[in-house]
Amino acid sequence: EPEVTQTPSHQVTQMGQEVILRCVPISNHLYFYWYRQILGQKVEFLVSFYNNEISEKSEIFDDQFSVERPDGSNFTLKIRSTKLEDSAMYFCASSDNWGTEAFFGQGTRLTVV
Amino acid sequence: KQEVTQIPAALSVPEGENLVLNCSFTDSAIYNLQWFRQDPGKGLTSLLLIQSSQREQTSGRLNASLDKSSGRSTLYIAASQPGDSATYLCAVRNQGGKLIFGQGTELSVKP
Repeated sequence: EPEVTQTPSHQVTQMGQEVILRCVPISNHLYFYWYRQILGQKVEFLVSFYNNEISEKSEIFDDQFSVERPDGSNFTLKIRSTKLEDSAMYFCASSDNWGTEAFFGQGTRLTVV
Repeated sequence: KQEVTQIPAALSVPEGENLVLNCSFTDSAIYNLQWFRQDPGKGLTSLLLIQSSQREQTSGRLNASLDKSSGRSTLYIAASQPGDSATYLCAVRNQGGKLIFGQGTELSVKP
């Protein structure tokens, strides 16, 4: 069964460092998303991406964040200068069309020390 | 601003019991609603998607209902099993397309 895959599963980084979280969405999907979940809190939306551009972003998604689809398969989230409060589980998701069922990856646990 | 609330926060039941998880949302202008399962430290597994025009959706032992006008959805699990133990998340999709999540109900099914 097709699935969304994310790498790495766990990343530890020092405050101020740049990190890139990687995702391979389901192959025929067109809409891509990043969400995050701080420990003990709700899952919250970061950004949606379609047709090689951001279609919606949240207040959390400030200038420190960027997304890219560098080739036909990968979808990345970059955090330029990590802060302690960026520590969270980051989920990538994809859907085949707008508003259809979203499928999530297993997540990358980011720990900023 | 859309708020999604799930009650109860935690639920413990004996194996075999039928149970209902509740989700409420403040803004009825939703496009659809999706129920997920999350195992500890893991990703989100989609269980059911129910469109705003639908009243219910079924998959195996799971049945989700939606009353858009009152801002409520329920997830009914029949004949619960220990393997159903997980956190169940409700998320509404607004007209912009993003999912807005509740805080989840942590379900424990005891053998």
